[in-house]
Amino acid sequence: DQQVKQNSPSLSVQEGRISILNCDYTNSMFDYFLWYKKYPAEGPTFLISISSIKDKNEDGRFTVFLNKSAKHLSLHIVPSQPGDSAVYFCAASANQGGKLIFGQGTELSVKP
Amino acid sequence: DAGVTQSPTHLIKTRGQQVTLRCSPKSGHDTVSWYQQALGQGPQFIFQYYEEEERQRGNFPDRFSGHQFPNYSSELNVNALLLGDSALYLCASSRGQGIQPQHFGDGTRLSIL
Repeated sequence: DQQVKQNSPSLSVQEGRISILNCDYTNSMFDYFLWYKKYPAEGPTFLISISSIKDKNEDGRFTVFLNKSAKHLSLHIVPSQPGDSAVYFCAASANQGGKLIFGQGTELSVKP
Repeated sequence: DAGVTQSPTHLIKTRGQQVTLRCSPKSGHDTVSWYQQALGQGPQFIFQYYEEEERQRGNFPDRFSGHQFPNYSSELNVNALLLGDSALYLCASSRGQGIQPQHFGDGTRLSIL
């Protein structure tokens, strides 16, 4: 039972444009959501998070949107840069900081 | 400021053997979680340690066990290794038990022959 799903295995975007990565979840008990970026041969790097009491959180070029009624979150990267090319994972937690449930990841390619 | 460090980087074992992986948390962090990541998948939660006790456990058999030391470092032990245990094992640390992002190490790549 995949509680967190990233339905797009890959995404290709032109440098300078917006990248939108999507994530859906099924467990209404999730109250904390995170996005991680992963380069090959490295561990996941924390990017941005959002609590379920908010619907938007912004940090520089990265914005996460949460739609609780649709059980959907998205990560917007504006403007996209070639260095953003990596695999992006969304993750969710049901007990405020406990175990994280990850999606399968979306590989983002930003072309110059 | 040292991040999460894991050792060894790579390990090759044969079926039936036992393995111990090690993790030192980020400075200031006291909670350690372990994840298994198979190729092409997202990390899967194994267990979490806080105050030297296992606080949460994922859907992994008893062959997977762990320990946390007074200095917050942690070990993951896997007994009776199976071919399916081949994966990247990730350690993550965080501060306390509240809403805090977990920070990951670069992992240990375990290959079972």
